[in-house]
Amino acid sequence: DVKVTQSSRYLVKRTGEKVFLECVQDMDHENMFWYRQDPGLGLRLIYFSYDVKMKEKGDIPEGYSVSREKKERFSLILESASTNQTSMYLCASSTPGGIYEQYFGPGTRLTVT
Amino acid sequence: GQSLEQPSEVTAVEGAIVQINCTYQTSGFYGLSWYQQHDGGAPTFLSYNALDGLEETGRFSSFLSRSDSYGYLLLQELQMKDSASYFCAVGFTGGGNKLTFGTGTQLKVEL
Repeated sequence: DVKVTQSSRYLVKRTGEKVFLECVQDMDHENMFWYRQDPGLGLRLIYFSYDVKMKEKGDIPEGYSVSREKKERFSLILESASTNQTSMYLCASSTPGGIYEQYFGPGTRLTVT
Repeated sequence: GQSLEQPSEVTAVEGAIVQINCTYQTSGFYGLSWYQQHDGGAPTFLSYNALDGLEETGRFSSFLSRSDSYGYLLLQELQMKDSASYFCAVGFTGGGNKLTFGTGTQLKVEL
């Protein structure tokens, strides 16, 4: 069974803090993705990575950065958290040819106060 | 850019059949996926269509018409546990390794 885990289920941070969201997958997938999910807006892609140390911007990368030092781990970084980054963050992974079948983690509900 | 349209809400009764539509606008369309997400849960993959026609997986089927830029998810013999949000997602040539998701359809199954 593919397993994608995320470091926290719920997180509360203050405005201006640096925030790290961690994601680990155990299926040796090359592709990893970070999405945010907001009511009425669906899932929006922040960044994705198709290999170690490789990354590409998604549709809403502003205010975020990512790091992929190991194949199984993909980190999302909020350099200076703001209240408009309060959201559900979902990590996913897939094989290179399998972007249509992505495996999602349980999500991290981030609240920035 | 890409845009997808799906109804925000659909209600149906247990045992019935329901169809959730998805229309898309994208250049270089490649394929359409469907995902299910229960409240508080992670999205899970249901199906994928790259070619026109119907793909069946148990009670769920997915249809694609490339010429009409349209697809749908068909759920048969509805059960209460099918109450969830359903998302369509498209990939397109030149888009690299990524999907664009729709805003989701919340399906409520009633007794």
